[in-house]
Amino acid sequence: DAGVIQSPRHEVTEMGQEVTLRCKPISGHNSLFWYRQTMMRGLELLIYFNNNVPIDDSGMPEDRFSAKMPNASFSTLKIQPSEPRDSAVYFCASSLGQGAVGEQFFGPGTRLTVL
Amino acid sequence: KQEVTQIPAALSVPEGENLVLNCSFTDSAIYNLQWFRQDPGKGLTSLLLIQSSQREQTSGRLNASLDKSSGRSTLYIAASQPGDSATYLCALRTSGTYKYIFGTGTRLKVLA
Repeated sequence: DAGVIQSPRHEVTEMGQEVTLRCKPISGHNSLFWYRQTMMRGLELLIYFNNNVPIDDSGMPEDRFSAKMPNASFSTLKIQPSEPRDSAVYFCASSLGQGAVGEQFFGPGTRLTVL
Repeated sequence: KQEVTQIPAALSVPEGENLVLNCSFTDSAIYNLQWFRQDPGKGLTSLLLIQSSQREQTSGRLNASLDKSSGRSTLYIAASQPGDSATYLCALRTSGTYKYIFGTGTRLKVLA
């Protein structure tokens, strides 16, 4: 298995632009998580999907952030408009089961820089 | 509110030493706990997952223990090697919630 796949690996954009991050979970996994990692705040959960349905989005910082999971093999995290404080590494993770039940497997992350 | 603490924040040891990394939590009603390693600029790699009903898990030179009553988990690394150098993170799920809460990590450096 290729593991969790994320794209792009690096993204540099200017303030105000729309940013879309993509994730392909491990085949057969039914839980998907989006995290953000910064030096100041560590790893924070943004949103959690189970069976393609958003279950907990309480970590989404603002309305500028949105996430979708149109099918079991694809999810997107969109920031519109982006701001410099959104600069961080964004990770996608997947697991089998409901919530943080099974072992979580992380993708390599997308390093986002907003100028 | 669950809080997860990892002390020390950084650790340097000579190659071959056995070492223990600590993870403390404030709410003992946990569902499970997972240890990860993160290499610079990379994602997280799962090391061990301990369910609430378990006391320990072992994989190769790694052994993780869980003591809910004291709010503590430890990751034991035997015969450390330079390749073990990374940041080690613990994460746990509190009962009744869906999400993992992550500790801030311990940055380990094993000197050759």
